[in-house]
Amino acid sequence: NAGVTQTPKFQVLKTGQSMTLQCAQDMNHNSMYWYRQDPGMGLRLIYYSASEGTTDKGEVPNGYNVSRLNKREFSLRLESAAPSQTSVYFCASSEVGGRAWELFFGSGTQLSVL
Amino acid sequence: LAKTTQPISMDSYEGQEVNITCSHNNIATNDYITWYQQFPSQGPRFIIQGYKTKVTNEVASLFIPADRKSSTLSLPRVSLSDTAVYYCLVVGGSQGNLIFGKGTKLSVKP
Repeated sequence: NAGVTQTPKFQVLKTGQSMTLQCAQDMNHNSMYWYRQDPGMGLRLIYYSASEGTTDKGEVPNGYNVSRLNKREFSLRLESAAPSQTSVYFCASSEVGGRAWELFFGSGTQLSVL
Repeated sequence: LAKTTQPISMDSYEGQEVNITCSHNNIATNDYITWYQQFPSQGPRFIIQGYKTKVTNEVASLFIPADRKSSTLSLPRVSLSDTAVYYCLVVGGSQGNLIFGKGTKLSVKP
């Protein structure tokens, strides 16, 4: 049982390049999230998917797109990377009902945009 | 969603009890209060969740007064390994827009 798996762990991009961050969970959770965390800052919600087939904007969606490919996978795409998107990106998942508010986080992707 | 306010940082010494208070004046009837812990270079980890009164688990206690406008996370007898950032979240309604604030950076000294 791996929990939430993010790939890659590290990535360096040049300004203007595109890339997709992958996230998969094996806990059969309905909801998935993407957060970013800048140095010394709290987490900011980029996008979330309350259930398969739905996605919604969070606090800081500009410059990002997401795809809820299936119940397991939720990807985050940077179409044209900018230095301001240098950050650590965390994916998380949670279940609906019961301990619905317990988020399980991946280990993060450290992204640098030069 | 209720906005939360926590102290930016706190210092403590090993063996002491630490209480971190979170204000959430606009909490709704159906909202719950949750706390997370984050170590450097790791994702946050769920610690505890409560609705009212007191909740205790193997890690911490959560005290919520009757008006639910604030909550206090209590860590008994902290050790150096409790040095981390602690986040308070108010969650409820249709699950989704789970917003973390800046959290409280707890530093435990020997």
